[in-house]
Amino acid sequence: LAKTTQPISMDSYEGQEVNITCSHNNIATNDYITWYQQFPSQGPRFIIQGYKTKVTNEVASLFIPADRKSSTLSLPRVSLSDTAVYYCLVGEAPGGGSYIPTFGRGTSLIVHP
Amino acid sequence: DADVTQTPRNRITKTGKRIMLECSQTKGHDRMYWYRQDPGLGLRLIYYSFDVKDINKGEISDGYSVSRQAQAKFSLSLESAIPNQTALYFCATSDSGGPTGELFFGEGSRLTVL
Repeated sequence: LAKTTQPISMDSYEGQEVNITCSHNNIATNDYITWYQQFPSQGPRFIIQGYKTKVTNEVASLFIPADRKSSTLSLPRVSLSDTAVYYCLVGEAPGGGSYIPTFGRGTSLIVHP
Repeated sequence: DADVTQTPRNRITKTGKRIMLECSQTKGHDRMYWYRQDPGLGLRLIYYSFDVKDINKGEISDGYSVSRQAQAKFSLSLESAIPNQTALYFCATSDSGGPTGELFFGEGSRLTVL
């Protein structure tokens, strides 16, 4: 399994763009990069997934360089409600195969007024 | 109604008691998982099941057992609860045939062992 490394915590202010970087130096050819968001006392929820280059949806953007050894989750103009823990996962998808979703400690983002 | 339902949502018990946490899903997914969350430690995988006849240990299975009674049901048991099993437990499902392998989580079961 590809091991991921993220900052433990980050602070930001309302209206700013937040970029959270995840390192995954031993990512495999078939691996995708998936980010989840978790609010206190709730289960994580899927935010975005990508394989290479850039992916954007209504919540976030995901930037993946050509070597795929890292990825950056970008949250535009954060609000207080974006305060949460963000997890980066690496593994096979779609189809799943033998992929076992493994969460690290994630990055705790606190957005200040 | 939630797609992934966990019961009970909260439970306080005593050391040595047997506890069962139940998970049921209406998403028709084949894969189900039990995770444990402790403050500041993220989620750790206890057991997972890729289909009804497939049960696998995760990274922290000691002291736990599971049963996959049907595709829709996956139960976690603590045969003899101890205080360091006090935690927030999450059940999740995923579809091996889905486009992203996305996990869908229940609302969690908070267990306190005194």
